[in-house]
Amino acid sequence: DTGVSQDPRHKITKRGQNVTFRCDPISEHNRLYWYRQTLGQGPEFLTYFQNEAQLEKSRLLSDRFSAERPKGSFSTLEIQRTEQGDSAMYLCASSYEGPYEQYFGPGTRLTVT
Amino acid sequence: QKEVEQNSGPLSVPEGAIASLNCTYSDRVSQSFFWYRQYSGKSPELIMSIYSNGDKEDGRFTAQLNKASQYVSLLIRDSQPSDSATYLCAVNYGQNFVFGPGTRLSVLP
Repeated sequence: DTGVSQDPRHKITKRGQNVTFRCDPISEHNRLYWYRQTLGQGPEFLTYFQNEAQLEKSRLLSDRFSAERPKGSFSTLEIQRTEQGDSAMYLCASSYEGPYEQYFGPGTRLTVT
Repeated sequence: QKEVEQNSGPLSVPEGAIASLNCTYSDRVSQSFFWYRQYSGKSPELIMSIYSNGDKEDGRFTAQLNKASQYVSLLIRDSQPSDSATYLCAVNYGQNFVFGPGTRLSVLP
């Protein structure tokens, strides 16, 4: 199966620590998206890449958040100085170029204590 | 403001009935519309996409789009208990998607 994969699946961290998540998209897809989802809400857009270029960032993405996609393959999302409000499911999705179907990975559930 | 609205539910239907899920959106220029299913604790799973006015059928699922009314719906025929999940509507705004809050569907045996 060559679907979207994410690592780790679960992360528990203490407030103030830094965390990094990884996403491997479907290999033929050149777009990669990061979303955050909290209980009872739909996914909220954070940022997206086309190949290695980060084309858009949500206003939700504070200075503590940074994302990279070196060489247009996998992507990482880093959260610095985590806060309890960062506790959420972080979802990665990939698609072909354009507003086409996005396929989600299993997500990384972050708990900040 | 980019908005996608859905009735949060829960919507309860008996097994074998038709479930009807609705979604409205605020941006008239949106061109791409998607329905996702999300089981509790899992990530969203794509069910259908629709780009043109009218109906699109795939197995037990039918998506309906009315751009003039800024309305998209999903019908699930012969509902099964395994269809019990949250259904998310997603709409493109430019190159990005905005998701609604989801409608929780419960299919009663």
